[in-house]
Amino acid sequence: DAMVIQNPRYQVTQFGKPVTLSCSQTLNHNVMYWYQQKSSQAPKLLFHYYDKDFNNEADTPDNFQSRRPNTSFCFLDIRSPGLGDAAMYLCATSGRQGAMNTQYFGPGTRLTVL
Amino acid sequence: GEDVEQSLFLSVREGDSSVINCTYTDSSSTYLYWYKQEPGAGLQLLTYIFSNMDMKQDQRLTVLLNKKDKHLSLRIADTQTGDSAIYFCAELGNDYKLSFGAGTTVTVRA
Repeated sequence: DAMVIQNPRYQVTQFGKPVTLSCSQTLNHNVMYWYQQKSSQAPKLLFHYYDKDFNNEADTPDNFQSRRPNTSFCFLDIRSPGLGDAAMYLCATSGRQGAMNTQYFGPGTRLTVL
Repeated sequence: GEDVEQSLFLSVREGDSSVINCTYTDSSSTYLYWYKQEPGAGLQLLTYIFSNMDMKQDQRLTVLLNKKDKHLSLRIADTQTGDSAIYFCAELGNDYKLSFGAGTTVTVRA
């Protein structure tokens, strides 16, 4: 059973056209993360939500925004995608206590920018 | 910030053991993780070890932790073709964020 679900798995957008990526989870975890992973690199944390508290990484461009309307769902909005934003976007969740800090990842959304 | 280092490539013959090594720098890390990533997929949690443990075994996987040297290793016994993937070592910092190594690409040859 899928625990962290990302939709769509593949997304193609045009340069400058806003795009939204979706993540949902059935684990009832209170923390949700968004990572960007470029080819042959480790995932890079963009931001995370601890419950409703949004925590942005210092070097995340303003072009990237996020929304978490409820515990289960979290969205990544890219307001004006550039060619450099083409990457795999990974969502992860954790329970934030002890071994519950363990992060579980979704399958990712591969974003192509034309 | 934390730095996690791994060798980039490992080639192993099917049926042999694979050993992937990792060094980390944050001595206050509580948990250390191994994730597996197959092409085009997300990260699959393989195993983790708490910092007060020396070893953890889970079927074909053995994790060894040398806290004094800040060295972590993952041994895969009887390596199969399905084990070909990128393996990421990661440490959990006090800020509850993961610091990843660059990943080790494991290629299993027949």
